[in-house]
Amino acid sequence: EAGVAQSPRYKIIEKRQSVAFWCNPISGHATLYWYQQILGQGPKLLIQFQNNGVVDDSQLPKDRFSAERLKGVDSTLKIQPAKLEDSAVYLCASSLDRLAGGYNEQFFGPGTRLTVL
Amino acid sequence: QQPVQSPQAVILREGEDAVINCSSSKALYSVHWYRQKHGEAPVFLMILLKGGEQMRHEKISASFNEKKQQSSLYLTASQLSYSGTYFCGTVPDYKLSFGAGTTVTVRA
Repeated sequence: EAGVAQSPRYKIIEKRQSVAFWCNPISGHATLYWYQQILGQGPKLLIQFQNNGVVDDSQLPKDRFSAERLKGVDSTLKIQPAKLEDSAVYLCASSLDRLAGGYNEQFFGPGTRLTVL
Repeated sequence: QQPVQSPQAVILREGEDAVINCSSSKALYSVHWYRQKHGEAPVFLMILLKGGEQMRHEKISASFNEKKQQSSLYLTASQLSYSGTYFCGTVPDYKLSFGAGTTVTVRA
C-alpha cells in the first residue's frame, strides 16, 4: 500500500514570496490533515479536511495561508506571502475517518522542509 | 491547549526502562502516541481510548488515567531502535493536539 506522498521535499524561498505544497493521501482515507512542525516542537494542526470539506482551520493563519482539497483526494497548502517564522516542516497526514470520541491512526507523509530567508 | 510531556529528554543504556508522562488540563476522549526519528515523519505507536485497556507495541506499553487526564508510555528493556522523539497527542474534542515531545536516546 502506498503511503502519503508530499512534494516538494525541500523548498527555500525569500520572505514575501509564495510557496505551495502538495499532498496525496492514502487511497480511501477520508480525512486529511496539514501540520506545521517547527524545529524542536510537536506538530501543530493547521487544517483538517473530511472528504473535501473543512472540519477545523482554527489555527490556520488565514491572512497568508490557504488550503484546498478538491474532489476529496489530494490537497494543496499555500503560503502567500511567506514570513521568516514560517520556516518549518509541513507535514501532511491522512486517516480512514474520525472515530467517535477520538481519532483513527494518522499516517504521515515525509514532509516538506521550508526555509524562508 | 497542548498536553505537557515530561521529561523533555532521557538517555538510556540498552535494556534499561523509562517512563514518559503526558498530562492535559482538559478531559480527554483518547490519547495517541507517536515516535519520530530524526529527519523522518512521525509513526503511530498506539491509541488509548477512554475506558479502554492498556495497549502495547512490541515492548512499549501505555496506560491512560481518565480521571487524572494523564497517560504514561513505558519503554521496557529498551533497544537501540527505540531512540527518537516520542509525542503524545490528546483528543479533548475532535482534534489532536501534540505535546512538545520527549527525546529518547538509547546507547549500546
